[in-house]
Amino acid sequence: DQQVKQNSPSLSVQEGRISILNCDYTNSMFDYFLWYKKYPAEGPTFLISISSIKDKNEDGRFTVFLNKSAKHLSLHIVPSQPGDSAVYFCAAQTQGGSEKLVFGKGTKLTVNP
Amino acid sequence: DADVTQTPRNRITKTGKRIMLECSQTKGHDRMYWYRQDPGLGLRLIYYSFDVKDINKGEISDGYSVSRQAQAKFSLSLESAIPNQTALYFCATSDWTRGGDTQYFGPGTRLTVL
Repeated sequence: DQQVKQNSPSLSVQEGRISILNCDYTNSMFDYFLWYKKYPAEGPTFLISISSIKDKNEDGRFTVFLNKSAKHLSLHIVPSQPGDSAVYFCAAQTQGGSEKLVFGKGTKLTVNP
Repeated sequence: DADVTQTPRNRITKTGKRIMLECSQTKGHDRMYWYRQDPGLGLRLIYYSFDVKDINKGEISDGYSVSRQAQAKFSLSLESAIPNQTALYFCATSDWTRGGDTQYFGPGTRLTVL
């Protein structure tokens, strides 16, 4: 049973516009969420995270929104740049020291010049 | 220099061979992980270790074993490689500085089993 779902395998946007990547989860015990970016032939790179005590976290062009009642989080990239083209993974965790990260299957973002 | 390194970066081997993938880190983290990535399946956890004396199975540990030789080193072994173990393998470390267990990944090893 997939606990973290990224229902869009791919997304294409124009340079300068907003990219919105979505992620849904089923486990209400998850309380820490992360986004990773992955370029081909490289390992995933940590992008931004959010704890369940917040509903928004911002870092430069990247903002993550968390809606706990809907069990939904989203990553907004504004403005999108061609270098943002990559696969984005959503991940979730139950804090407590012994739980592992559960990853979604990823969304491939393409930003067109 | 990279904080998490993996060797080799690419490996082609034959069915039945024993293979070891190595991971080293300079981040000083206690926690280390091994994942595999297959197309369309995201990242799946093979084994993880919270300190040198602690080894735990992940969701897909069958056919794999690990060794935590030191805080900085975590090796993954395939005792008898089979073709469906062809995948990208990633090592990761983690810390709690951001309010949760944030993982940092190595560059990956592409393994092909013929």
